[in-house]
Amino acid sequence: GAGVSQTPSNKVTEKGKYVELRCDPISGHTALYWYRQSLGQGPEFLIYFQGTGAADDSGLPNDRFFAVRPEGSVSTLKIQRTERGDSAVYLCASSLTQGAREQFFGPGTRLTVL
Amino acid sequence: KQEVTQIPAALSVPEGENLVLNCSFTDSAIYNLQWFRQDPGKGLTSLLLIQSSQREQTSGRLNASLDKSSGRSTLYIAASQPGDSATYLCAVPTFTGNQFYFGTGTSLTVIP
Repeated sequence: GAGVSQTPSNKVTEKGKYVELRCDPISGHTALYWYRQSLGQGPEFLIYFQGTGAADDSGLPNDRFFAVRPEGSVSTLKIQRTERGDSAVYLCASSLTQGAREQFFGPGTRLTVL
Repeated sequence: KQEVTQIPAALSVPEGENLVLNCSFTDSAIYNLQWFRQDPGKGLTSLLLIQSSQREQTSGRLNASLDKSSGRSTLYIAASQPGDSATYLCAVPTFTGNQFYFGTGTSLTVIP
């Protein structure tokens, strides 16, 4: 596609449920990043993929969060046993290669945990 | 850990005014710095990427400058328009590019 896409755009779930958020990067981009953005804050890094592997997952807040990118393209962020504090906008970005290259962001998924 | 600060947090100006947004960072060993625009409820749109070897970068009415030694970048917007109203964020990567650190943004309102 022309840009980074994310689905769903909005997700409302109940506390304790499992959710999956999807990111489809720009075709050919090998690097993929997930961020979380709370109201009034800048995005906070969660995890970085180079190809299929998670090169840096140090931003994941705890073991309820997990992300995969099995074929080096689409990525899924998975959150188990959701908590109200997980409510935020989850942003995905991709860049052409590894290293500190220009990032292109998707529109985000707004997650609300009731 | 890199810390990025943006001042002011909010800015309101009349249409046509020139303005400057500030971004400061604590670790000057950066590879580049990127400025983004975020409209309410939307993702981030890349405005300018300025490499560490550059002092400034221009795109239309936007000009970004970078002073690595002092840990500062500015985004200059000329002849502001109501359509420029948005939140502006700056971000710096670690040298490996594994992580990017964002400021909290400056919320700009341009009054017609």
